[in-house]
Amino acid sequence: DTAVSQTPKYLVTQMGNDKSIKCEQNLGHDTMYWYKQDSKKFLKIMFSYNNKELIINETVPNRFSPKSPDKAHLNLHINSLELGDSAVYFCASSQHGTSNEKLFFGSGTQLSVL
Amino acid sequence: DQQVKQNSPSLSVQEGRISILNCDYTNSMFDYFLWYKKYPAEGPTFLISISSIKDKNEDGRFTVFLNKSAKHLSLHIVPSQPGDSAVYFCAASVGYGGSQGNLIFGKGTKLSVKP
Repeated sequence: DTAVSQTPKYLVTQMGNDKSIKCEQNLGHDTMYWYKQDSKKFLKIMFSYNNKELIINETVPNRFSPKSPDKAHLNLHINSLELGDSAVYFCASSQHGTSNEKLFFGSGTQLSVL
Repeated sequence: DQQVKQNSPSLSVQEGRISILNCDYTNSMFDYFLWYKKYPAEGPTFLISISSIKDKNEDGRFTVFLNKSAKHLSLHIVPSQPGDSAVYFCAASVGYGGSQGNLIFGKGTKLSVKP
């Protein structure tokens, strides 16, 4: 019974397309996140939502739009995909969203933009 | 500007021996540090943490040491097992209890434990 699940696991698409990645957590956590792991292997936060409210919005192009229909779900929609968007995207959750909590990550979505 | 540095991309250790993974940081305001472990095709999982008021935290085979004056922390795994083979990420944050947006990750060190 996966705690944080995201789909799809792999996503291969053409430049200019629009795509979505879905994430769900069954831990009852208040806060969910999107992280990006780029080609240099750094894990960087993109967004966080606490109880459906946007809390953190790092410097991310506005082609990326998170949507949280309820506190158990946080989806990521990406418009007009570019080559530089190729990366692994991880969804995560934590109990309250504070920096001393451990994060629970999904298994990642490998996005390849051709 | 890498605030959290893991200068060894990889480390190979014999089973049963000690593994020592190192992490350096530049921001003296960091006051909470975590280690995550990541297997291929999986997300990172939390391993162990330490706050800046301590210099050591132990959990079974895993011990994290913090040297604030040197801005250095290390993760010791004793004894190392083949199942420990994974990528280990060091992470640091500013403001204990502050926002997760403050959490900065290193690039990771790939540990291989050979039988």
